[in-house]
Amino acid sequence: GENVEQHPSTLSVQEGDSAVIKCTYSDSASNYFPWYKQELGKRPQLIIDIRSNVGEKKDQRIAVTLNKTAKHFSLHITETQPEDSAVYFCAASFTGTSYGKLTFGQGTILTVHP
Amino acid sequence: GAVVSQHPSWVICKSGTSVKIECRSLDFQATTMFWYRQFPKQSLMLMATSNEGSKATYEQGVEKDKFLINHASLTLSTLTVTSAHPEDSSFYICSARAGGPGELFFGEGSRLTVL
Repeated sequence: GENVEQHPSTLSVQEGDSAVIKCTYSDSASNYFPWYKQELGKRPQLIIDIRSNVGEKKDQRIAVTLNKTAKHFSLHITETQPEDSAVYFCAASFTGTSYGKLTFGQGTILTVHP
Repeated sequence: GAVVSQHPSWVICKSGTSVKIECRSLDFQATTMFWYRQFPKQSLMLMATSNEGSKATYEQGVEKDKFLINHASLTLSTLTVTSAHPEDSSFYICSARAGGPGELFFGEGSRLTVL
């Protein structure tokens, strides 16, 4: 089955700095890669996703890049703000079946200091 | 976006009792729902895939007789933790996809504490 590795486990930045979180996946058939933000005790919220037919996607301060050959993808947050502090999870799935179950990375605790 | 509602949001029970958690898709039909378990400061671990009208597919290491899943309609899946023990205490989250491949929508989660 799919295995997703995520690094770093914790990331501390100053407000205004950029933050980068990296993930690798094992199953070359995976073709959908979402990123979720989870605040303490709450449900994961999708912040951005990318499919295997594109290499990069951007939404305001958030961007994701995908390298299919190397089987890794990254989340980039620019101009970080204290409200960006949360746990971020990457995930991977193969959507070729009706199931398309997601496999999550271990999570990154991002702390943005004012 | 699509809405997935989970109930109860938290429950405390005595060891040996059973607890049922409901997951509903409010504005879409979900032939497939997923049940995840999350321990404190850890990732979401897929427990099982719930299929409407058929048996659930359990991940390796998950006891199907302990975690009973029923998906009787296109909008409701239930997870029953049978004979709960303190080690079953966790955050249980369901999710569903609103048609086609892509974004998974998550329920609010249910925090189970077994005394």
